Amino acid sequence: GAGVSQSPSNKVTEKGKDVELRCDPISGHTALYWYRQRLGQGLEFLIYFQGNSAPDKSGLPSDRFSAERTGESVSTLTIQRTQQEDSAVYLCASSLGQGLNSPLHFGNGTRLTVT
Amino acid sequence: AQSVAQPEDQVNVAEGNPLTVKCTYSVSGNPYLFWYVQYPNRGLQFLLKYITGDNLVKGSYGFEAEFNKSQTSFHLKKPSALVSDSALYFCAVRDGGSQGNLIFGKGTKLSVKP
Repeated sequence: GAGVSQSPSNKVTEKGKDVELRCDPISGHTALYWYRQRLGQGLEFLIYFQGNSAPDKSGLPSDRFSAERTGESVSTLTIQRTQQEDSAVYLCASSLGQGLNSPLHFGNGTRLTVT
Repeated sequence: AQSVAQPEDQVNVAEGNPLTVKCTYSVSGNPYLFWYVQYPNRGLQFLLKYITGDNLVKGSYGFEAEFNKSQTSFHLKKPSALVSDSALYFCAVRDGGSQGNLIFGKGTKLSVKP
């Protein structure tokens, strides 16, 4: 497909379990972003990958959160020992990244519910 | 540090009337400014951007935004609102002087009534 793909679209997990969320960016996009959107709230920046540079992890809320990206392709966001406050929609976006004026292309998100 | 503020949680407009959704920003370098829209149960879509040049930029679906450097604002406007414009609108800013990430405002819900 031509767009950013995220999987799963929905995830229900029990408190304390680990979850992995996947993002397939648009081919050729060097920049990849993860955001979190809690119900009725705005987008909260989590982490940003740009090419082979060290990622900007300044938005990760705790050490339970981590993300990896293989080259300029797939990224996974891992949440360990999930808590109820982790319930949110996790959005991934990619952009060409060569210029700071490149707009982001968003996936449809993964809705995470922690019970 | 860069930041963006959307002072209104919700804007209500009658169909056919002009609409404005407000956004102010703070960056240390030159601002790169964006508007995105999120329709119900759908992902965010890019509307328009300001990088340099004319202060009035035009985007998708008849929307436009005016960059005002002295007021550090980038308000979204449309001359005649449609019911189908009802959605959540996000303003975003990136500091053009760095490789920083894109920071979003908390969003403004636009409701257009017939």
